[in-house]
Amino acid sequence: SQQGEEDPQALSIQEGENATMNCSYKTSINNLQWYRQNSGRGLVHLILIRSNEREKHSGRLRVTLDTSKKSSSLLITASRAADTASYFCATQDTGRRALTFGSGTRLQVQP
Amino acid sequence: GAVVSQHPSRVICKSGTSVKIECRSLDFQATTMFWYRQFPKQSLMLMATSNEGSKATYEQGVEKDKFLINHASLTLSTLTVTSAHPEDSSFYICSASLQPNEKLFFGSGTQLSVL
Repeated sequence: SQQGEEDPQALSIQEGENATMNCSYKTSINNLQWYRQNSGRGLVHLILIRSNEREKHSGRLRVTLDTSKKSSSLLITASRAADTASYFCATQDTGRRALTFGSGTRLQVQP
Repeated sequence: GAVVSQHPSRVICKSGTSVKIECRSLDFQATTMFWYRQFPKQSLMLMATSNEGSKATYEQGVEKDKFLINHASLTLSTLTVTSAHPEDSSFYICSASLQPNEKLFFGSGTQLSVL
């Protein structure tokens, strides 16, 4: 079943700007992950944050997790045209191995 | 990183035919694989969890007789869409992880178009 919502649904920014996407979920989780998908392609893992972590960085990516609010955010700094893609958060619920995906954010970075 | 290979990447078939999609873990053994379905501009919906050597676990609302899953080896899971109809047209993606509670590696997906 669909886990949560992401906002915004779509985001258009200029190259060099930062992009922030938010994700909300409803259940108890082991971890939350962010994935990227280019149109018509498979998904690429970006970053995983565990339920006992609050913030994580990887290159130009910064992820936060607030388990009390059941929400997460993904920040992409200094965006590039190549960052244009759909971004999905996904939660691994407690006691479950499969991931449940959010509704996704379509990011368009204008050169 | 681990590689998951999915084949074919695109299938066009007539209504009523069956289509088999293969998902292979190329450099690791996957006791569990996951099959997702994605409609245009929508999110991924889990269809089933494929378990090596045992029956797949289907999500609520997914017809097990319609979407046959076989996971006969530690590196291969197959999804067969039986008697396909236009409403089965979708993007099907498989995935696997090296360890529980870790990231998933995805195949490149199969775009199924049923005429």
